[in-house]
Amino acid sequence: GAGVSQSPSNKVTEKGKDVELRCDPISGHTALYWYRQSLGQGLEFLIYFQGNSAPDKSGLPSDRFSAERTGGSVSTLTIQRTQQEDSAVYLCASSLLAGNTEAFFGQGTRLTVV
Amino acid sequence: AQKVTQAQTEISVVEKEDVTLDCVYETRDTTYYLFWYKQPPSGELVFLIRRNSFDEQNEISGRYSWNFQKSTSSFNFTITASQVVDSAVYFCALLKYSGYSTLTFGKGTMLLVSP
Repeated sequence: GAGVSQSPSNKVTEKGKDVELRCDPISGHTALYWYRQSLGQGLEFLIYFQGNSAPDKSGLPSDRFSAERTGGSVSTLTIQRTQQEDSAVYLCASSLLAGNTEAFFGQGTRLTVV
Repeated sequence: AQKVTQAQTEISVVEKEDVTLDCVYETRDTTYYLFWYKQPPSGELVFLIRRNSFDEQNEISGRYSWNFQKSTSSFNFTITASQVVDSAVYFCALLKYSGYSTLTFGKGTMLLVSP
């Protein structure tokens, strides 16, 4: 696609439920990143993919968070047993190569856990 | 460890005023990149500028200008003659390259330009 696409744009879920957030990067971009933007906290790095592998998962806040990427394209971020502190905007970005310095961001998924 | 500090949480100006957004960074790397992104209400981060650590020349793009000073580890952003459409959250970010690149963001500065 022309840009990074994320779905859903908004998600409201009950505490304890699992959610899946989807990211469709720019076609041909091998590097994919997930960030979390919490109110007043800026953007926090979660995980990086190069192709289908994730060499850096250091930002995942707990084992309730996981992500996968298939076919070197679409990525899914899964949050299990959601908690209220998971409420945030989850942003996905992609770049052409791992060392490429220009990352393109999607519009994010706003997750609200009630 | 890398760190980006945007001390201004929120700035309010009246249209046509000039405004400067501050950014101070910390890194032990000798090679790095600095960025500014704009996040309008729609949520998408819009790339504004990238500057590498070896290039301290100031840059001007229309009403936007950037002042990079390695001596003070600062990369400040000035909007001249601000407009209502400039209202957004602005993020400064530091990129570390170590085989792959990840961005460290500041907490952002919300700019509100009123007519």
